[in-house]
Amino acid sequence: ETGVTQSPTHLIKTRGQQVTLRCSSQSGHNTVSWYQQALGQGPQFIFQYYREEENGRGNFPPRFSGLQFPNYSSELNVNALELDDSALYLCASSLGAGLTEAFFGQGTRLTVV
Amino acid sequence: GESVGLHLPTLSVQEGDNSIINCAYSNSASDYFIWYKQESGKGPQFIIDIRSNMDKRQGQRVTVLLNKTVKHLSLQIAATQPGDSAVYFCVHSNTGNQFYFGTGTSLTVIP
Repeated sequence: ETGVTQSPTHLIKTRGQQVTLRCSSQSGHNTVSWYQQALGQGPQFIFQYYREEENGRGNFPPRFSGLQFPNYSSELNVNALELDDSALYLCASSLGAGLTEAFFGQGTRLTVV
Repeated sequence: GESVGLHLPTLSVQEGDNSIINCAYSNSASDYFIWYKQESGKGPQFIIDIRSNMDKRQGQRVTVLLNKTVKHLSLQIAATQPGDSAVYFCVHSNTGNQFYFGTGTSLTVIP
């Protein structure tokens, strides 16, 4: 177990709706990164939060947004859901925003219908 | 964008044999590499990492080799066990705030 927990584990939403996914980072970790993993593909970087500020962003539209709280837990929000947003959403926590090992949660499986 | 590619999408090995998973990258500025293992229904699990100032790093039953000249990375697993069956990802970063995953290599261990 990595100590990184995500909720919910599974979720079904309708196209056009909004969704919030949550991540509790490993104790002591101040950096959280979010990834989208489509079926049969490798995870794609969405963004990273370091000490409550966005610290990098991948090639995702603005309807993907995030927050990091003072306790370093994090949320991923997706607005105006599209069918292609169906994927496994992974969060990873690390100590520091530099080149260092990141620990992943088990993911949230989002299905958009 | 960044490119992290894998030579083989699938690999089958006999239990007890050694496994070698290869990875090519395109960015010569790459300076940090990680191998992750992902089992079905789980998040990626850290195996081993290596920085660009090293050529080789060993862990428990695993060895990562880095050849910067040809931009190639490999993961060697000694005495492969059924529990090693998973998808293996070569991951690259040169900034620390963005990590690039390849498609992955599926390793199947035959008992």
